[in-house]
Amino acid sequence: EVQMVESGGGLVQPGGSLRLSCAASGFTFSRYGMNWVRRAPGKGPEWISYISTTSSTIYYTDSVKGRFTISRDNADNSLYLQMKSLRDEDTAVYFCARDLLGHYGMDAWGQGTAVTVSS
Amino acid sequence: QSALTQPASVSGSPGQSITISCIVTSSDIGSFDYVSWYQHSPGKAPKLMIYDVSNRPSGVSNRFSGSRSGIAAYLTISGLQADDEADYYCSSYTTTTSYYVFGPGTKVSVL
Repeated sequence: EVQMVESGGGLVQPGGSLRLSCAASGFTFSRYGMNWVRRAPGKGPEWISYISTTSSTIYYTDSVKGRFTISRDNADNSLYLQMKSLRDEDTAVYFCARDLLGHYGMDAWGQGTAVTVSS
Repeated sequence: QSALTQPASVSGSPGQSITISCIVTSSDIGSFDYVSWYQHSPGKAPKLMIYDVSNRPSGVSNRFSGSRSGIAAYLTISGLQADDEADYYCSSYTTTTSYYVFGPGTKVSVL
């Protein structure tokens, strides 16, 4: 069974840092591009970052460029999101999501980890 | 302000068909060839229902169908069932920016 479990969320003050993790199982992790997507309260989802299978290609949405860093460890079947200089508007549930092979879309998601940025 | 717009809510009775629209409001979206739809219920993982406008992933009921006409994409749910109640999000991949953009979501209620 394909499974992805996010962890690392929590309450952090503005300007602080957090590192999110996503543990993948049930599929060959190294074959898939991976994404982070967040959903802020009362809003639709927002894609924030993508990493290719070998980490050679990485994209970020403009609002997190320079503050967030995506990475992966294929040996450990894990995806990471290092977040720094956090802002109130980064408050959201963060999901890891697997790219659909050969097409555009995300065909497997975790249940998310909540990040709250507040003083 | 999202580059995609959706109705806030759509409702229907069990057995009926409903259609959710997703309309492009920004030229950043480009060709609108790579539309996908997701179902999301509170506390659950989002689920891909449609990709590339009209393709269903393995395991998704054929009661769900997708289509596109010009700058609008549509998700139709036929034979509405109680467990179809959820939020539905359209999304488009933009090849010019390598971004996914999501719509604001539509809450589907089964009366």
